[in-house]
Amino acid sequence: ETGVTQTPRHLVMGMTNKKSLKCEQHLGHNAMYWYKQSAKKPLELMFVYNFKEQTENNSVPSRFSPECPNSSHLFLHLHTLQPEDSALYLCASSPRGTNYGYTFGSGTRLTVV
Amino acid sequence: TQLLEQSPQFLSIQEGENLTVYCNSSSVFSSLQWYRQEPGEGPVLLVTVVTGGEVKKLKRLTFQFGDARKDSSLHITAAQPGDTGLYLCAGEARSGTYKYIFGTGTRLKVLA
Repeated sequence: ETGVTQTPRHLVMGMTNKKSLKCEQHLGHNAMYWYKQSAKKPLELMFVYNFKEQTENNSVPSRFSPECPNSSHLFLHLHTLQPEDSALYLCASSPRGTNYGYTFGSGTRLTVV
Repeated sequence: TQLLEQSPQFLSIQEGENLTVYCNSSSVFSSLQWYRQEPGEGPVLLVTVVTGGEVKKLKRLTFQFGDARKDSSLHITAAQPGDTGLYLCAGEARSGTYKYIFGTGTRLKVLA
């Protein structure tokens, strides 16, 4: 148990579907992040939330829509995705203002068909 | 754009051997972290280094931050099959942001 829980673990969706990824942490961390991990590419930062406020959108296409209703929950809403969006989507949290680093979830393996 | 290049990309060694993984950049980082990721899981933080020239040890793992804070290395002594995984370095993008840029990764396989 890493302290950051992501659901679902695996997701297969068509290009016209709408789905959501969920991330939950009860570590008392203030910041939450979405990262994308594709084969042969470094982890790509997508979004950063600090105390529920979005502080970073790393030029992510609008077909990805984040939501952070409170400091413990983070969602990534997906719609009209492309096959190249298939990847491992990782959620992380951290206590802001420290060098404690990230606590990652186990990720959601997304396949777009 | 800040980039972190890791070498080697892949490494397959026998149990008991020593190895070193490198993380290099042309940019200066205020702090740098190392993570290990196992298949089907998210990365797990191993260490954070913040001072140029700093050396930290974690059992058989030795981490070093370069004097100029542009590079780092991870040395594993007497590798074991349990060390198998993807090793990632991550540098803080801008001091005080606590937002990290990840390296390209080194995939290590230790054979029994």
